[in-house]
Amino acid sequence: DQQVKQNSPSLSVQEGRISILNCDYTNSMFDYFLWYKKYPAEGPTFLISISSIKDKNEDGRFTVFLNKSAKHLSLHIVPSQPGDSAVYFCAAGRNTGKLIFGQGTTLQVKP
Amino acid sequence: DSGVTQTPKHLITATGQRVTLRCSPRSGDLSVYWYQQSLDQGLQFLIQYYNGEERAKGNILERFSAQQFPDLHSELNLSSLELGDSALYFCASSLSTSGTDTQYFGPGTRLTVL
Repeated sequence: DQQVKQNSPSLSVQEGRISILNCDYTNSMFDYFLWYKKYPAEGPTFLISISSIKDKNEDGRFTVFLNKSAKHLSLHIVPSQPGDSAVYFCAAGRNTGKLIFGQGTTLQVKP
Repeated sequence: DSGVTQTPKHLITATGQRVTLRCSPRSGDLSVYWYQQSLDQGLQFLIQYYNGEERAKGNILERFSAQQFPDLHSELNLSSLELGDSALYFCASSLSTSGTDTQYFGPGTRLTVL
């Protein structure tokens, strides 16, 4: 039972354009959502998070949007840079520390 | 550098064997989490410890066990290894058990079972 899904395994965008990564979840009890970025041969690095009481959180070039009625969240990167090329994981959790991760989306930003 | 260290970086062993993966959390963090990432899979939560005590369990096989020691480092023991246990094993740490605490991940241990 995949509670958190990233349906796009890969995404390719041009440098300077917007990257939009999507994530769907099934468990309405999740109250905290996160995005992690992972480079090869490294562990995931925390990028940005959002609480279920919000619908948007912004940090520099990164914005996460949460649509609770659709059980959907997205990560927007504007403008995209070649250094953003990595695997992006969305994750969801409740008030415990256990996180449920999606399968990841590989983003390639072309110069 | 997340401040979380994992050893060894790579481990190659045979089916039926037993291995121990080690994790040192960030200074000050009391919670340790173990995750498994198999090929083309997301990270699967295995188990969480907080200040030496088990706090949550995920899809951890009975052949796997973990513990957190008084100095807060943690070990994940994998026994009777099978080919399907080949994966990346990540350790993460956070300040407490709160779901809003950021989890910081180590670089992982790549286990190959031949």
